[in-house]
Amino acid sequence: GQNIDQPTEMTATEGAIVQINCTYQTSGFNGLFWYQQHAGEAPTFLSYNVLDGLEEKGRFSSFLSRSKGYSYLLLKELQMKDSASYLCAVMDSNYQLIWGAGTKLIIKP
Amino acid sequence: GAVVSQHPSWVICKSGTSVKIECRSLDFQATTMFWYRQFPKQSLMLMATSNEGSKATYEQGVEKDKFLINHASLTLSTLTVTSAHPEDSSFYICSARGVVAERNLQETQYFGPGTRLLVL
Repeated sequence: GQNIDQPTEMTATEGAIVQINCTYQTSGFNGLFWYQQHAGEAPTFLSYNVLDGLEEKGRFSSFLSRSKGYSYLLLKELQMKDSASYLCAVMDSNYQLIWGAGTKLIIKP
Repeated sequence: GAVVSQHPSWVICKSGTSVKIECRSLDFQATTMFWYRQFPKQSLMLMATSNEGSKATYEQGVEKDKFLINHASLTLSTLTVTSAHPEDSSFYICSARGVVAERNLQETQYFGPGTRLLVL
């Protein structure tokens, strides 16, 4: 079966760094996405990785290792507005997105 | 700015009525559009996938006669919830896949802002 695993909830302090991990087992791989979703809103696109390595975009970075079926989202200089759910999703061989359940990130002052 | 729009953002209707939700890709042609539903505190659930000019592919457990999808053009898809009932109350989100050159040269999936449906 297809499976995406990520922690249910994480807590971090304002100004700090947090890493949200995602492991996956899917039928085929056409890229991995990270989305941010604030409560009551639709997800917004953060990053897309299809090749191994680190992609940096401002305060957010995303890493992929296809051989390990592993990705992480790294958030630096955390701000209170970063409190949200972070969704990991893998595009399978049929170009369908397989979603993780999301990681709720709580930022404390 | 937004690349995918949805209308309306909020719908309150009586049980038994039909509700139509529009999803538009702005400034790009969407090769594929997706419709999702999200119940409170749960993950997004894919309802159906549609390509322009062809019938939508529905996920298991989603009634195609109840949730009518029309993908009339490369920039517009509509979801009609027919004879809505209180259990259909949910957050409906559309997504469009395509290339927005100003953002990313790879084909990426972009989400609409969502439509909150409340059936009384």
